Amino acid sequence: SQTIHQWPATLVQPVGSPLSLECTVEGTSNPNLYWYRQAAGRGLQLLFYSVGIGQISSEVPQNLSASRPQDRQFILSSKKLLLSDSGFYLCAWLPLGNTEAFFGQGTRLTVV
Amino acid sequence: GQQLNQSPQSMFIQEGEDVSMNCTSSSIFNTWLWYKQDPGEGPVLLIALYKAGELTSNGRLTAQFGITRKDSFLNISASIPSDVGIYFCAGQWSGNFNKFYFGSGTKLNVKP
Repeated sequence: SQTIHQWPATLVQPVGSPLSLECTVEGTSNPNLYWYRQAAGRGLQLLFYSVGIGQISSEVPQNLSASRPQDRQFILSSKKLLLSDSGFYLCAWLPLGNTEAFFGQGTRLTVV
Repeated sequence: GQQLNQSPQSMFIQEGEDVSMNCTSSSIFNTWLWYKQDPGEGPVLLIALYKAGELTSNGRLTAQFGITRKDSFLNISASIPSDVGIYFCAGQWSGNFNKFYFGSGTKLNVKP
Protein backbone atom coordinates (compact mmCIF):
# COMPACT_ATOMS: atom_id res chain seq x y z
CA SER A 1 0.00 0.00 0.00
CA GLN A 2 1.03 3.59 -0.49
CA THR A 3 1.90 5.54 2.63
CA ILE A 4 3.71 8.68 3.62
CA HIS A 5 5.84 9.09 6.73
CA GLN A 6 6.89 12.38 8.21
CA TRP A 7 9.05 12.96 11.28
CA PRO A 8 9.56 14.15 13.86
CA ALA A 9 5.99 14.86 14.98
CA THR A 10 7.04 17.75 17.19
CA LEU A 11 10.23 19.75 17.51
CA VAL A 12 11.38 22.61 19.70
CA GLN A 13 14.50 24.34 18.47
CA PRO A 14 16.38 27.48 19.57
CA VAL A 15 16.78 30.42 17.26
CA GLY A 16 19.88 30.03 15.10
CA SER A 17 19.94 26.25 15.24
CA PRO A 18 19.75 24.06 12.12
CA LEU A 19 16.69 22.13 11.00
CA SER A 20 16.11 18.89 9.18
CA LEU A 21 12.64 17.45 8.61
CA GLU A 22 12.25 14.25 6.66
CA CYS A 23 9.44 12.84 4.58
CA THR A 24 9.40 9.45 2.89
CA VAL A 25 6.84 7.77 0.71
CA GLU A 26 6.32 4.04 0.34
CA GLY A 27 4.64 1.96 -2.30
CA THR A 28 5.07 4.27 -5.25
CA SER A 29 7.63 5.59 -7.72
CA ASN A 30 8.22 9.03 -9.20
CA PRO A 31 5.76 10.88 -6.99
CA ASN A 32 5.52 14.65 -6.96
CA LEU A 33 6.46 15.79 -3.47
CA TYR A 34 5.53 18.99 -1.67
CA TRP A 35 6.35 20.86 1.52
CA TYR A 36 3.68 23.13 2.99
CA ARG A 37 3.73 25.32 6.06
CA GLN A 38 0.70 26.18 8.11
CA ALA A 39 0.97 29.09 10.54
CA ALA A 40 -1.33 28.99 13.57
CA GLY A 41 -4.94 29.43 12.45
CA ARG A 42 -3.92 29.93 8.85
CA GLY A 43 -4.10 28.07 5.56
CA LEU A 44 -1.42 26.00 3.89
CA GLN A 45 1.38 27.81 2.13
CA LEU A 46 3.29 25.91 -0.55
CA LEU A 47 7.02 26.11 0.17
CA PHE A 48 8.71 23.66 -2.18
CA TYR A 49 7.78 21.03 -4.71
CA SER A 50 9.74 18.38 -6.52
CA VAL A 51 8.98 16.37 -9.64
CA GLY A 52 12.05 14.14 -9.38
CA ILE A 53 15.38 13.40 -7.72
CA GLY A 54 17.44 16.55 -7.32
CA GLN A 55 14.67 18.69 -8.84
CA ILE A 56 13.48 21.29 -6.37
CA SER A 57 11.40 24.37 -7.02
CA SER A 58 10.87 27.05 -4.43
CA GLU A 59 7.53 28.76 -4.28
CA VAL A 60 8.46 31.63 -1.96
CA PRO A 61 11.78 33.08 -0.83
CA GLN A 62 12.56 32.16 2.76
CA ASN A 63 15.01 30.85 5.28
CA LEU A 64 14.43 27.24 4.28
CA SER A 65 15.71 24.86 1.63
CA ALA A 66 14.63 21.46 0.36
CA SER A 67 16.38 18.47 -1.12
CA ARG A 68 15.36 15.21 -2.72
CA PRO A 69 18.31 12.83 -2.49
CA GLN A 70 16.21 9.77 -3.36
CA ASP A 71 13.04 9.23 -5.36
CA ARG A 72 10.85 8.80 -2.30
CA GLN A 73 12.64 11.07 0.17
CA PHE A 74 12.06 14.78 0.61
CA ILE A 75 13.95 16.82 3.19
CA LEU A 76 13.26 20.32 4.49
CA SER A 77 16.24 22.12 6.01
CA SER A 78 17.47 25.34 7.45
CA LYS A 79 20.95 26.42 8.48
CA LYS A 80 19.74 28.93 11.07
CA LEU A 81 16.17 28.96 12.30
CA LEU A 82 14.25 32.17 12.88
CA LEU A 83 11.34 32.70 15.25
CA SER A 84 9.11 33.20 12.21
CA ASP A 85 9.90 29.66 11.05
CA SER A 86 7.60 28.27 13.73
CA GLY A 87 4.57 26.48 12.35
CA PHE A 88 3.09 23.19 11.28
CA TYR A 89 5.01 21.66 8.39
CA LEU A 90 3.27 19.22 6.12
CA CYS A 91 4.69 16.95 3.48
CA ALA A 92 2.39 15.87 0.67
CA TRP A 93 2.71 13.60 -2.31
CA LEU A 94 0.99 13.18 -5.61
CA PRO A 95 1.11 9.69 -7.11
CA LEU A 96 2.35 9.54 -10.68
CA GLY A 97 -0.56 10.07 -13.05
CA ASN A 98 -2.88 11.06 -10.23
CA THR A 99 -4.43 14.41 -9.38
CA GLU A 100 -5.14 13.89 -5.67
CA ALA A 101 -2.53 14.88 -3.13
CA PHE A 102 -2.13 13.09 0.19
CA PHE A 103 -0.59 14.48 3.35
CA GLY A 104 1.69 13.25 6.08
CA GLN A 105 0.84 13.74 9.73
CA GLY A 106 2.84 16.94 9.99
CA THR A 107 5.64 18.30 12.16
CA ARG A 108 4.89 20.95 14.76
CA LEU A 109 8.00 23.18 14.88
CA THR A 110 8.41 25.72 17.65
CA VAL A 111 11.40 28.02 17.47
CA VAL A 112 12.24 29.54 20.83
CA GLY B 1 1.95 31.82 -5.24
CA GLN B 2 -1.71 31.56 -6.00
CA GLN B 3 -4.25 32.64 -3.41
CA LEU B 4 -7.65 31.10 -3.01
CA ASN B 5 -10.36 32.99 -1.18
CA GLN B 6 -12.29 30.68 1.10
CA SER B 7 -15.32 31.70 3.10
CA PRO B 8 -16.59 31.80 5.68
CA GLN B 9 -13.52 31.87 7.90
CA SER B 10 -15.38 30.17 10.73
CA MET B 11 -18.84 28.85 11.49
CA PHE B 12 -20.70 28.01 14.69
CA ILE B 13 -23.71 25.83 14.04
CA GLN B 14 -26.11 23.55 15.87
CA GLU B 15 -25.97 19.81 15.38
CA GLY B 16 -28.31 18.79 12.58
CA GLU B 17 -27.93 22.00 10.59
CA ASP B 18 -26.61 22.11 7.05
CA VAL B 19 -23.34 23.89 6.27
CA SER B 20 -22.08 25.54 3.12
CA MET B 21 -18.63 26.95 2.38
CA ASN B 22 -17.03 28.10 -0.84
CA CYS B 23 -13.78 28.91 -2.51
CA THR B 24 -12.94 31.30 -5.33
CA SER B 25 -9.83 31.92 -7.34
CA SER B 26 -8.60 34.42 -9.89
CA SER B 27 -7.13 31.52 -11.86
CA ILE B 28 -8.79 28.53 -13.45
CA PHE B 29 -8.07 25.06 -12.15
CA ASN B 30 -8.32 21.58 -13.61
CA THR B 31 -8.98 19.97 -10.26
CA TRP B 32 -10.65 21.08 -7.07
CA LEU B 33 -10.11 19.18 -3.85
CA TRP B 34 -11.70 19.49 -0.43
CA TYR B 35 -9.82 18.44 2.71
CA LYS B 36 -10.63 18.23 6.39
CA GLN B 37 -8.00 18.78 9.06
CA ASP B 38 -8.35 17.69 12.66
CA PRO B 39 -6.18 19.43 15.30
CA GLY B 40 -2.54 18.42 15.09
CA GLU B 41 -3.12 16.20 12.07
CA GLY B 42 -2.46 16.42 8.37
CA PRO B 43 -5.40 17.22 6.07
CA VAL B 44 -7.44 14.29 4.85
CA LEU B 45 -8.98 14.29 1.39
CA LEU B 46 -12.78 14.37 1.36
CA ILE B 47 -13.82 14.97 -2.22
CA ALA B 48 -12.07 15.46 -5.55
CA LEU B 49 -13.62 17.25 -8.54
CA TYR B 50 -12.27 17.01 -12.07
CA LYS B 51 -14.74 18.62 -14.46
CA ALA B 52 -16.41 22.00 -14.63
CA GLY B 53 -19.98 21.68 -13.43
CA GLU B 54 -19.32 18.36 -11.73
CA LEU B 55 -21.35 17.65 -8.61
CA THR B 56 -19.97 14.91 -6.37
CA SER B 57 -21.20 13.45 -3.10
CA ASN B 58 -19.46 11.54 -0.34
CA GLY B 59 -22.02 10.59 2.29
CA ARG B 60 -23.36 13.80 3.80
CA LEU B 61 -20.86 15.87 1.85
CA THR B 62 -21.57 17.37 -1.56
CA ALA B 63 -19.15 19.46 -3.57
CA GLN B 64 -19.37 21.18 -6.94
CA PHE B 65 -16.79 22.32 -9.47
CA GLY B 66 -17.87 25.74 -10.70
CA ILE B 67 -18.68 26.25 -14.36
CA THR B 68 -16.07 28.99 -14.68
CA ARG B 69 -13.45 26.62 -13.15
CA LYS B 70 -12.63 29.41 -10.72
CA ASP B 71 -14.78 28.34 -7.83
CA SER B 72 -16.08 25.42 -5.83
CA PHE B 73 -18.38 24.86 -2.90
CA LEU B 74 -18.77 22.21 -0.23
CA ASN B 75 -22.01 21.41 1.55
CA ILE B 76 -22.37 19.29 4.67
CA SER B 77 -25.88 18.13 5.46
CA ALA B 78 -27.22 17.26 8.91
CA SER B 79 -23.99 18.15 10.72
CA ILE B 80 -22.78 16.04 13.64
CA PRO B 81 -20.18 16.80 16.33
CA SER B 82 -17.45 14.83 14.56
CA ASP B 83 -17.70 17.26 11.63
CA VAL B 84 -15.75 19.73 13.77
CA GLY B 85 -12.47 20.69 12.16
CA ILE B 86 -10.95 22.94 9.55
CA TYR B 87 -12.01 22.46 5.95
CA PHE B 88 -9.70 23.46 3.13
CA CYS B 89 -10.27 23.82 -0.55
CA ALA B 90 -7.38 23.26 -2.93
CA GLY B 91 -7.02 24.02 -6.60
CA GLN B 92 -4.65 22.40 -9.02
CA TRP B 93 -3.69 23.16 -12.57
CA SER B 94 -2.03 20.24 -14.26
CA GLY B 95 0.08 22.48 -16.49
CA ASN B 96 1.93 23.91 -13.54
CA PHE B 97 3.87 20.87 -12.30
CA ASN B 98 0.75 19.76 -10.47
CA LYS B 99 1.11 22.39 -7.79
CA PHE B 100 -1.76 22.62 -5.34
CA TYR B 101 -2.85 25.89 -3.79
CA PHE B 102 -4.98 26.00 -0.69
CA GLY B 103 -7.62 28.28 0.69
CA SER B 104 -7.23 29.76 4.15
CA GLY B 105 -9.68 27.27 5.63
CA THR B 106 -13.11 27.28 7.23
CA LYS B 107 -13.18 26.38 10.89
CA LEU B 108 -16.37 24.51 11.69
CA ASN B 109 -17.74 24.26 15.21
CA VAL B 110 -20.78 22.07 15.85
CA LYS B 111 -22.72 22.46 19.05
CA PRO B 112 -24.43 19.25 20.25
